[in-house]
Parts: sequence; C-alpha cells; structure tokens
Amino acid sequence: QKEVEQDPGPLSVPEGAIVSLNCTYSNSAFQYFMWYRQYSRKGPELLMYTYSSGNKEDGRFTAQVDKSSKYISLFIRDSQPSDSATYLCAMISNFGNEKLTFGTGTRLTIIP
Amino acid sequence: DVKVTQSSRYLVKRTGEKVFLECVQDMDHENMFWYRQDPGLGLRLIYFSYDVKMKEKGDIPEGYSVSREKKERFSLILESASTNQTSMYLCASSRHHYEQYFGPGTRLTVT
Repeated sequence: QKEVEQDPGPLSVPEGAIVSLNCTYSNSAFQYFMWYRQYSRKGPELLMYTYSSGNKEDGRFTAQVDKSSKYISLFIRDSQPSDSATYLCAMISNFGNEKLTFGTGTRLTIIP
Repeated sequence: DVKVTQSSRYLVKRTGEKVFLECVQDMDHENMFWYRQDPGLGLRLIYFSYDVKMKEKGDIPEGYSVSREKKERFSLILESASTNQTSMYLCASSRHHYEQYFGPGTRLTVT
C-alpha cells in the first residue's frame, strides 16, 4: 500500500463548478500537508500548505485536513479554465531532514 | 522570484552513455533535490542535499549519483544510462522542506 493515495483522474468539470480534490494517507506521523499545481510541461509549484488539522483558505482555494480520517482535500470555487492542471498532494512529518511524500497527482480539466 | 533552472529541456542519449543533468538556483537555498516523474508513479526522490558537499539518498538512488560543489548548483549523474531511466527529471530547491521550488524539468530519452 502506498503511503499517499490520490485518484489520478482525469477529472473534467464545467467552468464555474466547485472542484474537490482528495488524498488519503496511512502514516499518522504526517503533520504538514501541501498542495502543488503542475501545468503541462512545467515543474510543480506550491499552492497551499496546512499544518495539522483544520481549514485554510486562499482566494478561491480551500485546503482541508482531517487527521482523524487521514484525509485531505483541496476545494476550488468558481473554477476557471486556467485552473486546468495536475494537482499533487504532498506530506511531511516535520521540518528536519525529512523528505516530502507526494501523491501521484490528479489531472483536472475545466471546460469553458 | 525564486528561479530554478535546468540545463536542458529535452535530452536524447544512447544506452551506456554518461549523462549529466545540471540544476542551478538563485535564492541561496540550503536544500536541493532531484526527482523523477513517471506516469502513474508520481514524483520519486532520487537524491537530496542539505548543504554543499552533503548528499542523502532518496527512494530510488540506484543508477544515479550527485554532486554539489557549490551552494547554488546540484548535478545529477547517470553513470551508464539505461532505457529504464527514460523519464522527466525535476530539480527543486528550498529553505524549508515543505516549500520546494521546482525547475521546468528535463525530459530524458535513453535509446
């Protein structure tokens, strides 16, 4: 079993819809949870990060962490064609010399 | 703006060749990373470095080596390229492990 599971999609939604992207994980030591966005033929870029459980909002994006269920989500409101990308979740247990553990990514397409 | 650059966007090499992939960052970051990205497997860490001349193995170091002689530069070396090393190679740098800045990637094809 992989430490981090992420549905690869592809996921296609109409412009303006709310998008929900999710990851599950098995390592209860993970404390920091990140979402990266990767456009085609580009490297990933950090979108948001969250510490422990709870919600974090940044514009149209909301990250949610439920440590009791080992489940994290990224919501995109009022989705735009420019949101079309692959979204990768990533996790780390602490900020020492630990490495990030990435999900495989979900490919999202917003249809105009 | 943090900038991470990689020496080539596309590279085609023959089996058995020695391959050098170079990565340079301009933000004075201590940490640098090399990943490969393959469909269905996601990002897998090959090596990382948290200081000049320091290196740590990642999840899949076999067949690769690295060099970090200067803080801003981190090189990935394929000693004898094989077809199963055909992949997208991504370099990243960070001050904190959670906030990694990635380069554009090098798509390597080994024939």
